[in-house]
Amino acid sequence: AQSVTQLGSHVSVSEGALVLLRCNYSSSVPPYLFWYVQYPNQGLQLLLKYTTGATLVKGINGFEAEFKKSETSFHLTKPSAHMSDAAEYFCAVTINAGGTSYGKLTFGQGTILTVHP
Amino acid sequence: NAGVMQNPRHLVRRRGQEARLRCSPMKGHSHVYWYRQLPEEGLKFMVYLQKENIIDESGMPKERFSAEFPKEGPSILRIQQVVRGDSAAYFCASSPPTGGAFFGQGTRLTVV
Repeated sequence: AQSVTQLGSHVSVSEGALVLLRCNYSSSVPPYLFWYVQYPNQGLQLLLKYTTGATLVKGINGFEAEFKKSETSFHLTKPSAHMSDAAEYFCAVTINAGGTSYGKLTFGQGTILTVHP
Repeated sequence: NAGVMQNPRHLVRRRGQEARLRCSPMKGHSHVYWYRQLPEEGLKFMVYLQKENIIDESGMPKERFSAEFPKEGPSILRIQQVVRGDSAAYFCASSPPTGGAFFGQGTRLTVV
């Protein structure tokens, strides 16, 4: 079984500051890792994903994340926060089960990002 | 290429009524997943379907909930005899072979 822990249910940054949202996972087999963003009353939008290969993954809207196996982490970063980044962010994990379980995700509890002017 | 389409966006039901939530996956995706987002509980997997088959329903409540994905038409999540605790946002997702899941806008069910 897999699990995800997002450290910090609320993160607040100033506009232009670094954004760092923390995610640690637990998986008995190599994981596939994802970050999603959810705006109020909206669905989830995929920001980026790690499956195999390069451990530094770039996503949309200037976000990136680095898969660190030794630390079982997949933290999300953005060098400079923008007001439009204010939303809730979810880290999620799944495993490669023969290509049939890519959409069966285990989510963290979410981190609400607030951006101050 | 339209995304995952869910309807209705908002649904109000009285206790004891039935709720039917519909989901059309993205074009070319044949895998559909349903998730429930309860306040303060995050997103939880409910069921995974392919056309005419339930692959994994390990997250479905044992009673009153059912799902189908017929050969033709959208996937349906059905909740019979709704109770207040069923009030939540229900999300459908579809998945390509390359991984990840693409989510719809959700159906927000309110039971009054």
